[in-house]
Order: sequence, then C-alpha cells, then structure tokens
Amino acid sequence: SQQGEEDPQALSIQEGENATMNCSYKTSINNLQWYRQNSGRGLVHLILIRSNEREKHSGRLRVTLDTSKKSSSLLITASRAADTASYFCATVIYNQGGKLIFGQGTELSVKP
Amino acid sequence: EPEVTQTPSHQVTQMGQEVILRCVPISNHLYFYWYRQILGQKVEFLVSFYNNEISEKSEIFDDQFSVERPDGSNFTLKIRSTKLEDSAMYFCASKRTGNTDTQYFGPGTRLTVL
Repeated sequence: SQQGEEDPQALSIQEGENATMNCSYKTSINNLQWYRQNSGRGLVHLILIRSNEREKHSGRLRVTLDTSKKSSSLLITASRAADTASYFCATVIYNQGGKLIFGQGTELSVKP
Repeated sequence: EPEVTQTPSHQVTQMGQEVILRCVPISNHLYFYWYRQILGQKVEFLVSFYNNEISEKSEIFDDQFSVERPDGSNFTLKIRSTKLEDSAMYFCASKRTGNTDTQYFGPGTRLTVL
C-alpha cells in the first residue's frame, strides 16, 4: 500500500448521520493531518494529531491514531450538507523535512 | 486571521512558455512549500524551502522548475518551459517552524497549458 491510503474512496450519507473515513500509511510518522477540499478549491486544515497522541477532538470532528496498525480515522458527527467535500489525510515522516504526503482522499457527499 | 495568498488564481499559457506563480506566505512563517494537484488526483509535494534555499525536492521538480524568495514576503515558483502535463492546481503552503507544525495552504493557482 502507498503512504496515505484512504477508504472509502467515496461516501454518501444523509444529513445528521455520522461519516467515518480511514487512512492507512506505511512508514513511521511524526504527525498526521487531515485536510478538507471543496470542489476545485484550496485545502483547509482540519486537525493535526501527533504520533504520541491517540485521539483528538475539534468541534464535530474526532480523529484517532493507531500507530501499531499505522492507521487513522476521521469521524464527522451529525453531518451537514456543507460538509460535502473531499477529505485527505497527510502524513509527516520523521527526518523528511516536514513535507506532507497525501492520500488519495475520500469524497464525502452529504444529502439534505 | 493571517492567510497564505496566491496569484493569479488561474493562468492559461501556451506550451513552451515560462510561467511564474506567486505566493505570499504567512508573515512569521519560516518554511515554505509548493505542491501540485493534477485534476482528479492526489496532492503531490514538489519542493520545500527554508533559510533561502531548497531543503528538499521531489522527482517532479526537475530543471524546468525553480523557486525563489525575491524579497521578505513573496515566494515564487517558476516553470521555464511549460508542458501539457504541467496543467494542474499549484498550492503554496507555509508553516511557522519545527517538524510538527500545521502547514497552511493558499487557495491555489490553476495552471492550464495549451
């Protein structure tokens, strides 16, 4: 698998439901970040979780990190139509200058 | 809230022409990056820049590409002789310092090479 592989590739849910997206990676990381991208637009930083952290919350977002399984998940609770976007995980690997390595992303569609 | 800005938002050019994409990072940030995203694909790292020099570059960043910080605020990406496959969205990002800080992205420049 590639560094930063996400599943599902696409997710369609109803407003009010929870959305869970998963990210797996190969190499030990310094931190993992989640970004949102609305169609054709820029990347908006959502949350950063460090390798020594297991869970972080920000509003309706909950991110978990399992370094033993080299995986992370992003949970959006009580989703809204405005959450419709692509979501990317990006990893920062130790001693690699801080560059972000992005996954392919999950395309989330929240239907009103 | 400070943000990264990029100009132009859309650039159309003919194959073989030179283009310069401009970025103004957040003012107290020290590390600067360029990424690109070909339509429908993932975001790819191009180059990182710190202390007025390139700290890392990907294999995409060949001799046709260069970066410069010509003054205290701008950070530019130059493509000397554009190819069709350079058509993509180009994102500039910056971060304050350290290996764990968040990178803040600009809105991107959509480059179309005809």
